[in-house]
Amino acid sequence: EDQVTQSPEALRLQEGESSSLNCSYTVSGLRGLFWYRQDPGKGPEFLFTLYSAGEEKEKERLKATLTKKESFLHITAPKPEDSATYLCAVQARDFNKFYFGSGTKLNVKP
Amino acid sequence: NAGVTQTPKFRILKIGQSMTLQCAQDMNHNYMYWYRQDPGMGLKLIYYSVGAGITDKGEVPNGYNVSRSTTEDFPLRLELAAPSQTSVYFCASSYSLAALGNTIYFGEGSWLTVV
Repeated sequence: EDQVTQSPEALRLQEGESSSLNCSYTVSGLRGLFWYRQDPGKGPEFLFTLYSAGEEKEKERLKATLTKKESFLHITAPKPEDSATYLCAVQARDFNKFYFGSGTKLNVKP
Repeated sequence: NAGVTQTPKFRILKIGQSMTLQCAQDMNHNYMYWYRQDPGMGLKLIYYSVGAGITDKGEVPNGYNVSRSTTEDFPLRLELAAPSQTSVYFCASSYSLAALGNTIYFGEGSWLTVV
């Protein structure tokens, strides 16, 4: 069964305290894995697309990596403005199959 | 460009009532989607459309209907609202299939409560 699981559900960090969010997946033929940021009361905002194991993408303090079974979103020296829910989604060989994880709610304290 | 515009932002419905959530995009995207997001859960696909006149069911279509008469508009109809349809609804669009490197653009959401 196709599935996307994110952990932890919630993460509290002090400003400057680096950490990683996890997205593990089982899907029949991965076409792409996506990371989104969602602020309260807003729709998801696209961050990264990863297509194959070993691929990495970076944007400011965020770095996304991909293996055959999971993806990590590394946050280096986070700031309070990085506080948001981070969603992971995968698209299977069948383009119509696009699955979201339940998200990790990140809270960065000053 | 306004992007993806959803209306209304908030709505309270009584059980058994019907309503339509409106969605419009001005990016000339072929693909449009409706998702629902329950508290602490990921987004689940309700319906999608690959172009005007073409729609198909997603993961959770029961209790909903859609139509796509133009490229720009993709309304979601709730018939006989039930408490289980209390959720946040997101409309989205993309130029092509998401896995081909294009991003999906989301609207800001419509909060629906059925009482």
